[in-house]
Amino acid sequence: AQTVTQSQPEMSVQEAETVTLSCTYDTSESDYYLFWYKQPPSRQMILVIRQEAYKQQNATENRFSVNFQKAAKSFSLKISDSQLGDAAMYFCAYNDGGYNKLIFGAGTRLAVHP
Amino acid sequence: GAGVSQSPSNKVTEKGKDVELRCDPISGHTALYWYRQSLGQGLEFLIYFQGNSAPDKSGLPSDRFSAERTGGSVSTLTIQRTQQEDSAVYLCASSLNRVQNQPQHFGDGTRLSIL
Repeated sequence: AQTVTQSQPEMSVQEAETVTLSCTYDTSESDYYLFWYKQPPSRQMILVIRQEAYKQQNATENRFSVNFQKAAKSFSLKISDSQLGDAAMYFCAYNDGGYNKLIFGAGTRLAVHP
Repeated sequence: GAGVSQSPSNKVTEKGKDVELRCDPISGHTALYWYRQSLGQGLEFLIYFQGNSAPDKSGLPSDRFSAERTGGSVSTLTIQRTQQEDSAVYLCASSLNRVQNQPQHFGDGTRLSIL
């Protein structure tokens, strides 16, 4: 079965600095999607960025980018120029491709200090 | 347009009671998912609907849990004879269809507390 592991329960960063959140996963599939979701205290899950496994180029969305290492099954999220509004829980998720259900990691709580 | 709507936002009930949680997906979205988020943990898949049918119920933790979807729109998750371990945030998501690259849009969830 596919699993997603986030080994950092908590991280902190100074405003305007860069932080990297780690994620590893396990799968025997060759074609899949990976996602990072942000969950602020409001509870709503907000899609931050997604990566298609067959694309070698790392996805970027403004200040957010990923380092996708398919052979190592690693999918880290880099947040540049961190802002106070980036403080939230961040979840890494794998799409199993069957019915499109998401398999989530346990999450990383990110604190941003002024 | 409106996003995924869930009600109630919070629900407190006594152990042994039945509860119903409602999800109203984005209009036109045929795929609907229920997830459970226990305190301090990630989201756990419960059930998937395509239209009114549920081809994947593999995440339902026990036969006390059931769900239905009517008219290809609103879905209700029912928990019978609630137990304290059912306390969690229940999140609903919808997507245009079940194609792999379609993003799932989440509601704000229902926080269920069992006394």
